[in-house]
Amino acid sequence: ETGVTQSPTHLIKTRGQQVTLRCSSQSGHNTVSWYQQALGQGPQFIFQYYREEENGRGNFPPRFSGLQFPNYSSELNVNALELDDSALYLCASSLGRVNSYNEQFFGPGTRLTVL
Amino acid sequence: AQSVTQLDSHVSVSEGTPVLLRCNYSSSYSPSLFWYVQHPNKGLQLLLKYTSAATLVKGINGFEAEFKKSETSFHLTKPSAHMSDAAEYFCVVTGSYIPTFGRGTSLIVHP
Repeated sequence: ETGVTQSPTHLIKTRGQQVTLRCSSQSGHNTVSWYQQALGQGPQFIFQYYREEENGRGNFPPRFSGLQFPNYSSELNVNALELDDSALYLCASSLGRVNSYNEQFFGPGTRLTVL
Repeated sequence: AQSVTQLDSHVSVSEGTPVLLRCNYSSSYSPSLFWYVQHPNKGLQLLLKYTSAATLVKGINGFEAEFKKSETSFHLTKPSAHMSDAAEYFCVVTGSYIPTFGRGTSLIVHP
């Protein structure tokens, strides 16, 4: 059984650029969630994709967008990068939507630095 | 609305002594609560979860947590700390598909 993988591991961008982060969910999982973890903080929920549709969104602006593909892998896109977007971006997969019962399995994250 | 407060940013213990990591929550929903652990350069791992069954929840690696509705708390405990327990611990409340993480507690274990 393959766990959650994310690419790239690290990324450096400049302010105003756009970035795409990728996530492969654990085998059999149909839900992917994305989180932003700033240094010294807990992860903040960005959004969740369930069966290729956005299903739940945290307090993030529209320049944070995503996709989920038929194989349940996912992309996180961030446009017009700002310095405050520098963070560890975590992807988590689960069988079913994030709710009271479903355990999430996390990837190791992508470290994004915006200069 | 929901929120999580982890009362200690750092907890320092000696190996073999008990561990207590404190978490208070608020939620408009009937809450489900989780504890996750994050070791350096590794993904978050679920320790245990409360989903309205037994109030005392047992997890992996000897950890357990007790849900106390009257105190809105979900504290994590372990009878005897091991060096490998040193990590960042996060308390999470989930309602209506939006999980909210606490800021984390760094557990330091001294030999």
